[in-house]
Amino acid sequence: QVQLQESGPGLVKPSQTLSLTCTVSGVSISSAGSYWTWLRQHPGKGLEYIGYLSYSGKTYHNPSLKSRLTISGDTSNNQFSLKLSSVTAADTAVYYCAREFSGYNYAWFDLWGQGTLVTVSS
Amino acid sequence: DIQMTQSPSSLSASVGDRVTITCQASQDINNYLNWYQQKPGKTPKLLISDASNLETGVPSRFSGSGSGTDFTFTISSLQPEDIATYYCQQYDYVPRTFGQGTKVEIK
Repeated sequence: QVQLQESGPGLVKPSQTLSLTCTVSGVSISSAGSYWTWLRQHPGKGLEYIGYLSYSGKTYHNPSLKSRLTISGDTSNNQFSLKLSSVTAADTAVYYCAREFSGYNYAWFDLWGQGTLVTVSS
Repeated sequence: DIQMTQSPSSLSASVGDRVTITCQASQDINNYLNWYQQKPGKTPKLLISDASNLETGVPSRFSGSGSGTDFTFTISSLQPEDIATYYCQQYDYVPRTFGQGTKVEIK
């Protein structure tokens, strides 16, 4: 059974770095067509795309966060991670890891972690 | 970024009613549009891909249409289990972007 599981602190102080890891089981993060993605959802709001680690090791960082964002992968542990520096209260959100499965003319988010609430507060 | 403008932001309808949600892209995204359903406390579930392709196992009362910049999502006969927030999402460009969501409630 394929599962994605986010882990990391639920509370981060302002100006510090938010670090989350997504552990993937049941499918390799090197599986072709897989784009291992971070998204977030502010309380009561819509979904925001943060960035991805591709099956080939390429990364994409949303330009809106790029200067603060690092996405990386660990194939030996089948994990990918998110680091967001200099956080403020505006970064308080539920963070999801997900897989976008993508091909020539299709792409969809088919696998999701359950989400983890990260609160930025002193 | 492609802006996805979804409307209405919420609606209340009776069981059996036809419900329609619209999604407009800020530029042409061909048919590269998905629709998701998110129930409270749950993760989004893909209902429709490629603007009109119903995913396996999704009830036929759900449908999608449109191309270019204008898209429509329809529930032909609203059921109590359809209470959720619905999102459109474009996949023609990166970053992927979502509409702001439509919360569907029962009147």
